[in-house]
Amino acid sequence: KAGVTQTPRYLIKTRGQQVTLSCSPISGHRSVSWYQQTPGQGLQFLFEYFSETQRNKGNFPGRFSGRQFSNSRSEMNVSTLELGDSALYLCASSFYRGQDTEAFFGQGTRLTVV
Amino acid sequence: AQSVAQPEDQVNVAEGNPLTVKCTYSVSGNPYLFWYVQYPNRGLQFLLKYITGDNLVKGSYGFEAEFNKSQTSFHLKKPSALVSDSALYFCAVREWDNYGQNFVFGPGTRLSVLP
Repeated sequence: KAGVTQTPRYLIKTRGQQVTLSCSPISGHRSVSWYQQTPGQGLQFLFEYFSETQRNKGNFPGRFSGRQFSNSRSEMNVSTLELGDSALYLCASSFYRGQDTEAFFGQGTRLTVV
Repeated sequence: AQSVAQPEDQVNVAEGNPLTVKCTYSVSGNPYLFWYVQYPNRGLQFLLKYITGDNLVKGSYGFEAEFNKSQTSFHLKKPSALVSDSALYFCAVREWDNYGQNFVFGPGTRLSVLP
């Protein structure tokens, strides 16, 4: 069974631009979450989608947005990029929603803003 | 709010020796605790979880974790460390309600296993 696939793996963007990252969850998984990983802040939760609906959102500005499609694939978008948005963005999928559910992570997209 | 602490930034251990990576938690209600490992330039890999039941949880790659409610700890252990265990380890607690779910991660502990 294929794992969580994130594309692209690496991105370099200029301040002020926008970027879209893609995530394909494990087949059959309907919950998709996004996390930002930086050396200073560690792993921080961005948002969670389930059945095409955003169910939960972390403490990030409105420049960060996302969506989920009917096939459970998800995209996240960052507009008006800032240098501080440089990070590893990780997508995770779960088969169902619940406190006991582990999530499976993709390899991430490394975004560099210059 | 739920939180997780990993008191050690770095743990060094000789190959073949037992290893422990520490984690303490603060949650309201029952804790749902997880350990993940991250190798360089990779995503997080699930190791094990504590939901309920036995305080000693066994996971992947020979790792196990001991849940201690009185000390609010969930330490990761392995009887005999391998050089290939060198990686970044994250302890996490699950936040969940009827609306959404997410993990709250600790800051991570870098494990170095020396040959």
